Amino acid sequence: NAGVTQTPKFRILKIGQSMTLQCAQDMNHNYMYWYRQDPGMGLKLIYYSVGAGITDKGEVPNGYNVSRSTTEDFPLRLELAAPSQTSVYFCASSYSMGEAYEQYFGPGTRLTVT
Amino acid sequence: GESVGLHLPTLSVQEGDNSIINCAYSNSASDYFIWYKQESGKGPQFIIDIRSNMDKRQGQRVTVLLNKTVKHLSLQIAATQPGDSAVYFCAETQYHTGKLIFGQGTTLQVKP
Repeated sequence: NAGVTQTPKFRILKIGQSMTLQCAQDMNHNYMYWYRQDPGMGLKLIYYSVGAGITDKGEVPNGYNVSRSTTEDFPLRLELAAPSQTSVYFCASSYSMGEAYEQYFGPGTRLTVT
Repeated sequence: GESVGLHLPTLSVQEGDNSIINCAYSNSASDYFIWYKQESGKGPQFIIDIRSNMDKRQGQRVTVLLNKTVKHLSLQIAATQPGDSAVYFCAETQYHTGKLIFGQGTTLQVKP
């Protein structure tokens, strides 16, 4: 299994541009998550999904949108990029929220907005 | 709001010594506490978790202790190795939300 994959690895955006960060998992996990990690900080939850067609906001959803049309894919959309969105973005997935709760993380996308 | 935090930003230990990384949390309603290891340029990797009805859990070379009275969580790494050098995050979660709240992280440096 490839686990959780993310593309691109790096991206530079100009202020006001838009882009989609891709995330895919091949573990048949129901739950998927998007986090952002600012330098020297922990991860903050942006959006999450408990299954195809169902998404919900996390701690810091403003400026982002998500969709979950399949179990495997969970893209994150940035509209009108701002410098405050410069960060490393991690996608994660998990089988359930219950016993042996464990999230598997992708390698991250490093985004710079200038 | 609720937060999970770590006491020290950096911990430096000698190879072979034991390491103790601490974490304070504020939400007594959390069901699970989890330790993650993050190596440079990589995503966090699960190390060990502990349920709120437990005080101690052991894994391979790692032990997590939970003190609910003072809302304190610690990660003990036995015989620390150079490969243990990384940033360590504690996180809390609640069953009904499935959302992780991360602390800021402690950088562990292992000196040869």
